[in-house]
Amino acid sequence: GQNIDQPTEMTATEGAIVQINCTYQTSGFNGLFWYQQHAGEAPTFLSYNVLDGLEEKGRFSSFLSRSKGYSYLLLKELQMKDSASYLCAVREAGRRALTFGSGTRLQVQP
Amino acid sequence: EPEVTQTPSHQVTQMGQEVILRCVPISNHLYFYWYRQILGQKVEFLVSFYNNEISEKSEIFDDQFSVERPDGSNFTLKIRSTKLEDSAMYFCASSPGQGTYEQYFGPGTRLTVT
Repeated sequence: GQNIDQPTEMTATEGAIVQINCTYQTSGFNGLFWYQQHAGEAPTFLSYNVLDGLEEKGRFSSFLSRSKGYSYLLLKELQMKDSASYLCAVREAGRRALTFGSGTRLQVQP
Repeated sequence: EPEVTQTPSHQVTQMGQEVILRCVPISNHLYFYWYRQILGQKVEFLVSFYNNEISEKSEIFDDQFSVERPDGSNFTLKIRSTKLEDSAMYFCASSPGQGTYEQYFGPGTRLTVT
């Protein structure tokens, strides 16, 4: 089975940087995904990490440490529209199904 | 940019009725998925479909559920004899193919069982 943990809620200020952590335990890891989900909408793909290290894509970066079962999503220059839930999801070896965490609801304040 | 589309956006049905949720995956994608999200809960995997057959399914995907690709573009989820606890948002997703694993989600169908 899999266990994925993320903080339930975070608050940050417009223009600031926020880091959302995710820890996971799985029997056979083969990739970690971050999705953004605005209330009532579909998850939108942000990033995919399968090797250790940092992947940067514009204002968003994602980091993975396989040995520690740990990832984070870094959001820079926060904007009000970044207020959303951020979902960490793991893919197990040999499977395509994603197992999602409960998500972190980020509130960006002026 | 190509998108996954789903119809209807909202479906209300009575307990015990059958519903069919429809999806059009991104045209050159090879893998198709259904997920559901009960209000306030996490996104849960139901089933994946590749090469005209189910490739994986979760314990949620029991005999009440079935999937079909009736033609070259549509991908459907049928729920027979709906129960109150089937009320959820149902998301269809697709991914390109070998070596690429990111999944692109459709806007969802909100199913309400009364």
